[in-house]
Amino acid sequence: QVQVAESGGGVVQPGGSLRLSCAASGFTFSSYGFHWVRQAPGKGLEWLAFIRYDESNTYYADSVKGRFTISRDIAKNTLYLQMNSLRPEDTAVYHCAKDLTAGFASNGPDWWGQGTLVSVSS
Amino acid sequence: DIVMTQTPLSSPVTLGQPASISCTSSQSLVHGDGNTYLSWYQQRPGQPPRLLIYKISNRFSGVPDRFSGSGAGTDFTLKITRVEAEDVGVYYCMQATQFPYTFGQGTKLEIK
Repeated sequence: QVQVAESGGGVVQPGGSLRLSCAASGFTFSSYGFHWVRQAPGKGLEWLAFIRYDESNTYYADSVKGRFTISRDIAKNTLYLQMNSLRPEDTAVYHCAKDLTAGFASNGPDWWGQGTLVSVSS
Repeated sequence: DIVMTQTPLSSPVTLGQPASISCTSSQSLVHGDGNTYLSWYQQRPGQPPRLLIYKISNRFSGVPDRFSGSGAGTDFTLKITRVEAEDVGVYYCMQATQFPYTFGQGTKLEIK
């Protein structure tokens, strides 16, 4: 069955960097685009980034554009989120999610991981 | 960016009774390809979000038929015909018509 699992969260100081990973299984990883979505403690969902199945395009929320980079390694069936210049307001649970639609189009996320907690604090 | 607004933000419901959540977008969600990419997600306490409905009214795999979606343009609704205890959680609408994708604030469904 479809599984996505995030790792790499932790505590980091303001201005620091962290790379999150998302291991996927149970489907053809190379056929689907992927999203990162975060949820600050006690708050709602915030969409952050999307990468197309063929890495032809990436898209970002304004709040992370220029600081975060989404990428993927098809050989490892793994999605990444490189986070630089971290701020206290980036503290959240970060979820990766597979897109509903195979190929170039995007319908939004379907299967989500449990998430990994990132805490930005001095 | 497209702003998604949900009402109500909290919905106390009696078991077995219907529930309805509205979602309004700041601009039309009709994509250039003719589709409307409006989805609904359920987040139970301590769990990741779960896709319920996509493209306004299509139920995702395994979603009970007591959940239904409707609407067009800028106004959308999620309905639960008879609320069950397992439906407690927060419900979010999300638009995937235009990047950046955006979520509504969430509606907390609780049992009276």
